[in-house]
Amino acid sequence: KAGVTQTPRYLIKTRGQQVTLSCSPISGHRSVSWYQQTPGQGLQFLFEYFSETQRNKGNFPGRFSGRQFSNSRSEMNVSTLELGDSALYLCASSGTSGEYGELFFGEGSRLTVL
Amino acid sequence: GQQVMQIPQYQHVQEGEDFTTYCNSSTTLSNIQWYKQRPGGHPVFLIQLVKSGEVKKQKRLTFQFGEAKKNSSLHITATQTTDVGTYFCAGPSGGGADGLTFGKGTHLIIQP
Repeated sequence: KAGVTQTPRYLIKTRGQQVTLSCSPISGHRSVSWYQQTPGQGLQFLFEYFSETQRNKGNFPGRFSGRQFSNSRSEMNVSTLELGDSALYLCASSGTSGEYGELFFGEGSRLTVL
Repeated sequence: GQQVMQIPQYQHVQEGEDFTTYCNSSTTLSNIQWYKQRPGGHPVFLIQLVKSGEVKKQKRLTFQFGEAKKNSSLHITATQTTDVGTYFCAGPSGGGADGLTFGKGTHLIIQP
């Protein structure tokens, strides 16, 4: 079956703009989580959605938000972009909820903020 | 909050040598997962360990979970060029909530 699909794969924005990233999980997976990956901070948890509800949020400012639709597709939005938001944003889906779910990552959306 | 530390950050080995990466958590973990990320790629799940003292093998890879469930290791025997990448450990963020806390990873560089 198809893996996790993220769009767009690459994008360039300027400071102050906003961006929306999309993620389609593996068919049947209802849990979608988002991670930010940077060389300095590594992989950091942003938030996790299950059945359209945000169940957990990482330590990121309110400029980072997300949502999940009834078909389990998810979007994340970053408003008022800062240079430090340049990163690889990874979406992961899981077929189970809770602490024991194996994560299936998409290829990521690489955001560059100029 | 919970921290997951991994050492070493980088490891250079000659092809055929062994490799080990270590992971330590500041808190007891219900389970630990390991992922591999190839250069330019995305993390790919390798294994999950749940039981105290658990040891699992996947061909040349051996994974261990410590007795106190606060540390783990990944050992690769006789590395091959296909082993190149970054190996991450990750544990639940805690409090029953979802989301994983990842270590910063160990970059494995193999010289032929």
